[in-house]
Amino acid sequence: NAGVMQNPRHLVRRRGQEARLRCSPMKGHSHVYWYRQLPEEGLKFMVYLQKENIIDESGMPKERFSAEFPKEGPSILRIQQVVRGDSAAYFCASSRGTPSSGANVLTFGAGSRLTVL
Amino acid sequence: RKEVEQDPGPFNVPEGATVAFNCTYSNSASQSFFWYRQDCRKEPKLLMSVYSSGNEDGRFTAQLNRASQYISLLIRDSKLSDSATYLCVVNPGRSGNTPLVFGKGTRLSVIA
Repeated sequence: NAGVMQNPRHLVRRRGQEARLRCSPMKGHSHVYWYRQLPEEGLKFMVYLQKENIIDESGMPKERFSAEFPKEGPSILRIQQVVRGDSAAYFCASSRGTPSSGANVLTFGAGSRLTVL
Repeated sequence: RKEVEQDPGPFNVPEGATVAFNCTYSNSASQSFFWYRQDCRKEPKLLMSVYSSGNEDGRFTAQLNRASQYISLLIRDSKLSDSATYLCVVNPGRSGNTPLVFGKGTRLSVIA
């Protein structure tokens, strides 16, 4: 039973390029979350998705960032026109149930580390 | 006031010591509580859920004090392998779909 799979593990982009990060949740999990962690900082919530729906994107910057979780395939976090400040570790997590349910424990992927030159 | 606050540490303790971390949360409606562990440059991993009655798992004991809105984690007989950052995690309870909020973490170094 594979855990949460993220790829790429490491991504280097130049300023102005696009970054696409992928996440496949654990088997049986239909709730996906993206968190960002800056160096020496805590995890900051970005977006919460279920299949084909964005449930909460209150932590997502209004510009350049978007996320989707299509009916088929992984969830994708997309960052357009990257800037140096986007350099961070982006962690995806999944859960079996909603945040308020008894099945809200998050399982994290290994993260995607984005470096913007 | 931040939703979840932790003392960042670092806590430097010798092997075999007992160490305790506290975490405070701001919303009295918060529902579920967890401690996660994060090793350097790794993903967070669930250490234990925190129940109202308190719970113990081997050398680790977690307690919840709703009246004072804090959670604690006690580690007995510290091992070198306990060195990590410990994250306090809370469901803030604003709505059914509010994602979990993470504290910035408390760094522990266990020294030989």
